[in-house]
Amino acid sequence: DVKVTQSSRYLVKRTGEKVFLECVQDMDHENMFWYRQDPGLGLRLIYFSYDVKMKEKGDIPEGYSVSREKKERFSLILESASTNQTSMYLCASSFGQGAREQYFGPGTRLTVT
Amino acid sequence: AQSVTQLDSQVPVFEEAPVELRCNYSSSVSVYLFWYVQYPNQGLQLLLKYLSGSTLVESINGFEAEFNKSQTSFHLRKPSVHISDTAEYFCAVRSPRQGAQKLVFGQGTRLTINP
Repeated sequence: DVKVTQSSRYLVKRTGEKVFLECVQDMDHENMFWYRQDPGLGLRLIYFSYDVKMKEKGDIPEGYSVSREKKERFSLILESASTNQTSMYLCASSFGQGAREQYFGPGTRLTVT
Repeated sequence: AQSVTQLDSQVPVFEEAPVELRCNYSSSVSVYLFWYVQYPNQGLQLLLKYLSGSTLVESINGFEAEFNKSQTSFHLRKPSVHISDTAEYFCAVRSPRQGAQKLVFGQGTRLTINP
């Protein structure tokens, strides 16, 4: 079974803090994704990566950055957390090209106070 | 640019009743279509997908969806729902273009099954 794990299920941070969300997949997938999920808005892509050290902006990259130093790990960084970044963050991975399904982690619910 | 509209944010139904969750997409090119399900406190799981061929696709737990190119729709149906189908359902679209890995998701439909 493909497993995508995220470092925390729940996280509470203060405004202005630097926040790291970690995602690890165990199936040697090339592609990894970070989404945020908000009620009524569905999932919106923040960043994705199709190879180590490669990254591409998604639809809402402002206020976020990412790091992929190893194939299995994809980190989302909030340089200076703000209250409007309070959300559910979902990581996903997929294998190579073609119509491959994305496998999702359980999510991290981040609250910024 | 591609977009997906799920016409109902919430759908309450009684157990053993039929259900239809509606999904429309807009795209100037051909697309791949997906339905994902999110059970409470879990991540998303693929329910079914349309890539090509038969326009009717089925999942292992009794759901089916029909690709309708003329109406740009991919509605999800189940003839008789169970309490365990309570979840949020997301429709998604992807370009079949080589190298395109991005999924565009709809807003989600929360399906609530009442006993």
